[in-house]
Amino acid sequence: DVKVTQSSRYLVKRTGEKVFLECVQDMDHENMFWYRQDPGLGLRLIYFSYDVKMKEKGDIPEGYSVSREKKERFSLILESASTNQTSMYLCASSSSGGGPYNEQFFGPGTRLTVL
Amino acid sequence: AQSVTQPDIHITVSEGASLELRCNYSYGATPYLFWYVQSPGQGLQLLLKYFSGDTLVQGIKGFEAEFKRSQSSFNLRKPSVHWSDAAEYFCAVHLNTGFQKLVFGTGTRLLVSP
Repeated sequence: DVKVTQSSRYLVKRTGEKVFLECVQDMDHENMFWYRQDPGLGLRLIYFSYDVKMKEKGDIPEGYSVSREKKERFSLILESASTNQTSMYLCASSSSGGGPYNEQFFGPGTRLTVL
Repeated sequence: AQSVTQPDIHITVSEGASLELRCNYSYGATPYLFWYVQSPGQGLQLLLKYFSGDTLVQGIKGFEAEFKRSQSSFNLRKPSVHWSDAAEYFCAVHLNTGFQKLVFGTGTRLLVSP
């Protein structure tokens, strides 16, 4: 089974802190994604990566950065957390083989609260 | 701009009754369409997908969806709902760019009454 794991299920941070959210997948997938999920807004793409050290902005990249130093790991960084970044963060991965037909596999999510 | 609309925020269905969740998309070309389910406290799981061919697609857990180009719709159906189907359901469209970028709808929360 494909497994996507996220380092924390729940996280509480203070305004201004630097926050790292970690995601690891075990299926040798080329593509990895970070989404945030908010009630009434669905999932919105923050950043994605299609290879090690490669990244592309999604729809809402402001206030976030990412790092992909190894194929299996994709980190989301909040340089200076703000209360409007309180949300559920979901990581996903997919294979590149076969083009766009490939399923994205999701982790369980990290619920981040910024106080 | 490409978009996905799920007009129903919440739906309540009695256990054993049939279900239809609506999804409309706005996209110029032939879309690649997906339905995902998110059970409480879980990540998203793929139910089914449509790329081409037969417009009625079968998925896991007894779900099916029908692609109707004329209506720009991809509605999800199940003939008999079980209490374990209570979850949030997301429709998504792939933009067929060079990257596997999905655009998600806002979701429909399904409640199942006894």
